[in-house]
Amino acid sequence: DGGITQSPKYLFRKEGQNVTLSCEQNLNHDAMYWYRQDPGQGLRLIYYSQIVNDFQKGDIAEGYSVSREKKESFPLTVTSAQKNPTAFYLCASSIDRAGVTDTQYFGPGTRLTVL
Amino acid sequence: LAKTTQPISMDSYEGQEVNITCSHNNIATNDYITWYQQFPSQGPRFIIQGYKTKVTNEVASLFIPADRKSSTLSLPRVSLSDTAVYYCLVGGTGNTGKLIFGQGTTLQVKP
Repeated sequence: DGGITQSPKYLFRKEGQNVTLSCEQNLNHDAMYWYRQDPGQGLRLIYYSQIVNDFQKGDIAEGYSVSREKKESFPLTVTSAQKNPTAFYLCASSIDRAGVTDTQYFGPGTRLTVL
Repeated sequence: LAKTTQPISMDSYEGQEVNITCSHNNIATNDYITWYQQFPSQGPRFIIQGYKTKVTNEVASLFIPADRKSSTLSLPRVSLSDTAVYYCLVGGTGNTGKLIFGQGTTLQVKP
């Protein structure tokens, strides 16, 4: 059963703590992405990666960090430096090859609440 | 990157056809038009993608005029389960990480 998985679905953390959100894909996609969504708003890009061991900042990277040690995995760490981390976090992946349109496929999301 | 403009919200009734129009005046030659659907607390789901004229799949149709400055997503005979937010995106090959999700159009289907 191919797709993108995110865990956990709900996550609670205390202020000042770092927390890592998991994202795994078995679609053999090259590119992976992390987005943040706030209530009633669209998606905002945090980080993306086109290849293992390389990633780029998106529009709102401050307070977040990522790693891409394996093609299938792209974990996101929400650090204590992120001032307003409560949000819905979405991971996506795409093929990202020359001549192929950049259609992104999304995971189910993780809802993070800071207490 | 081409910016898109779409209505914030739309209402419809079950069984009706719904057309959601998206404006993208600055679309580039190699840009495609893609529509996503998102239900509350779920990730967006790919609906349809096109470059020009008309594209149809089992879920929707996408109409793109010759100048490509707009596009229309058509949902035939909507049901209550089609209540969702619909996003129009413009982007081409080689634009990894540069798709822009606006606020989308919230479609409310009533019985």
